[in-house]
Amino acid sequence: RKEVEQDPGPFNVPEGATVAFNCTYSNSASQSFFWYRQDCRKEPKLLMSVYSSGNEDGRFTAQLNRASQYISLLIRDSKLSDSATYLCVVSTGGGNKLTFGTGTQLKVEL
Amino acid sequence: GAGVSQSPSNKVTEKGKDVELRCDPISGHTALYWYRQRLGQGLEFLIYFQGNSAPDKSGLPSDRFSAERTGESVSTLTIQRTQQEDSAVYLCASSLGPYQPQHFGDGTRLSIL
Repeated sequence: RKEVEQDPGPFNVPEGATVAFNCTYSNSASQSFFWYRQDCRKEPKLLMSVYSSGNEDGRFTAQLNRASQYISLLIRDSKLSDSATYLCVVSTGGGNKLTFGTGTQLKVEL
Repeated sequence: GAGVSQSPSNKVTEKGKDVELRCDPISGHTALYWYRQRLGQGLEFLIYFQGNSAPDKSGLPSDRFSAERTGESVSTLTIQRTQQEDSAVYLCASSLGPYQPQHFGDGTRLSIL
């Protein structure tokens, strides 16, 4: 079983739609969780950290369920510019080692 | 402010040659990481530094790969006797410390002919 698993997609959605991505992780000792965004042939960029209480940043909402070892990202009112690959990232090994999921591809269309 | 800087941006070399990749982390970031990303695949952890020491070298794929960091700043990743399978984008990231988000450089695109 992979340490971090994501549905690879692609998710093709119309502009303005709400889309949700899910991610599961295998190491119950994981401490920190993040969503990164990666555009084609670019480096990953931090989108947001994920906290146990859930957190929101504009149109983006992240949730963490430690009991189920499950992380989610919700994007509301999606824009064409949201088209990218979204990487679920989990910190293990004392906090320094990040394990990346293979990413979920999102395509927002007119 | 300045982000993570990597050089060269692109490197094309012949099989069997040695290559050296450089990373300048964000000033003040004590932790530095190297990853590899093959075309169409996810990120593969190689090694991380806390200060100048490397507590976790578990991701280095073979003894042809080595890395060092000096002055709690610049790091170099060296690949000896390159093979075609080494072709990938090599990404460097830095962070303030454990559990903190990592910030990535633009990467070095390595192509082995």
